[in-house]
Amino acid sequence: ETGVTQSPTHLIKTRGQQVTLRCSSQSGHNTVSWYQQALGQGPQFIFQYYREEENGRGNFPPRFSGLQFPNYSSELNVNALELDDSALYLCASSPGRAGANVLTFGAGSRLTVL
Amino acid sequence: GDSVTQMEGPVTLSEEAFLTINCTYTATGYPSLFWYVQYPGEGLQLLLKATKADDKGSNKGFEATYRKETTSFHLEKGSVQVSDSAVYFCALSPKIQGAQKLVFGQGTRLTINP
Repeated sequence: ETGVTQSPTHLIKTRGQQVTLRCSSQSGHNTVSWYQQALGQGPQFIFQYYREEENGRGNFPPRFSGLQFPNYSSELNVNALELDDSALYLCASSPGRAGANVLTFGAGSRLTVL
Repeated sequence: GDSVTQMEGPVTLSEEAFLTINCTYTATGYPSLFWYVQYPGEGLQLLLKATKADDKGSNKGFEATYRKETTSFHLEKGSVQVSDSAVYFCALSPKIQGAQKLVFGQGTRLTINP
């Protein structure tokens, strides 16, 4: 079975630009969560999608938005990039609403904002 | 709100030494508790978990016991190896309705010298 795959693995943007990060969930998983991990910090929950609808959100501004597609893959979009958005963005999938007990994480997309 | 506090790193030990990484938490009710490990350039991997008080999670020689009296979930290993060098994250998942998210500590970098 394939795990969670994320793309791109690395990217560099400038302040004010927009970025889209992509995630393919593990086979059989229909819930996707996104986390932001700043350098030297633990990951922070951004939001979760279940069956194409947002199912909860952390303390992130509206310029962080997402989508989930019928095949359960997902996108994270960040508008008006700020320097503090530089981080590793992690996607995690899980089956149904089984919860955080069965999360599978991808390797992440490392975003650098200059 | 819910939070996790981990022992500050970095921690450097010699091979075959005993390891303890302290973790305490603040949460409403009785959350599930986790230890994740992150190797260089990789995403997060679940190391072990415990879902109720007095449960002991174990994997690959690592152990942690859910202590509700002290709100702790300390990670231990009797004899570490060079391959255990990584960043370790303690995390909790609140037992609430809605998005099942993880709340992480700041991480502890562990280096094992041969």
